Amino acid sequence: AQKITQTQPGMFVQEKEAVTLDCTYDTSDPSYGLFWYKQPSSGEMIFLIYQGSYDQQNATEGRYSLNFQKARKSANLVISASQLGDSAMYFCAMREDLGNQFYFGTGTSLTVIP
Amino acid sequence: GAGVSQSPSNKVTEKGKDVELRCDPISGHTALYWYRQSLGQGLEFLIYFQGNSAPDKSGLPSDRFSAERTGGSVSTLTIQRTQQEDSAVYLCASSLRTSGDNEQFFGPGTRLTVL
Repeated sequence: AQKITQTQPGMFVQEKEAVTLDCTYDTSDPSYGLFWYKQPSSGEMIFLIYQGSYDQQNATEGRYSLNFQKARKSANLVISASQLGDSAMYFCAMREDLGNQFYFGTGTSLTVIP
Repeated sequence: GAGVSQSPSNKVTEKGKDVELRCDPISGHTALYWYRQSLGQGLEFLIYFQGNSAPDKSGLPSDRFSAERTGGSVSTLTIQRTQQEDSAVYLCASSLRTSGDNEQFFGPGTRLTVL
């Protein structure tokens, strides 16, 4: 089974609108962390936001927030007030605290339309 | 301080040749990861180093792939007898620890092209 599933290969959003990028995960480990990374066309991987499995509140970092629904095993990324510079690939990732690996999803390509 | 660096940034080689890719992690980071990213795809885990522990090699796709980490710092990924399907971007990442909110810091990658 896939550890991380991103079901939206491509998304479009109007500039200044909000957009939600979906991510579901699969783990039996009670302690884990969830991460979102942005990869612009230049190729570098940029860390955006982190959510711990025991965190009570949804993580927020500026215009990024993580909609964490533990029972549903989902960790959707919400980008508010989209900007043209937000156009990129977005990867959801998980690290199980008992293991060594980071598991990455296949990514969602976001295009912000002016 | 300096981020994760990788060299070379681009490597073109002929099928059957051996290549070495280098990664310099952030100073003090004990965890180091290698990934492979094929065109338009996600990240494929290859190998993980944590301090002086034995590396997790579970992601290496074949015995042509090997990696070492000297002195707990610099790492080299070696691909022997390269094949065209090895063409990809090879990303290295390091993190301070492997628990909590320790995100990985990625290098710029090495783009490998096997002709």
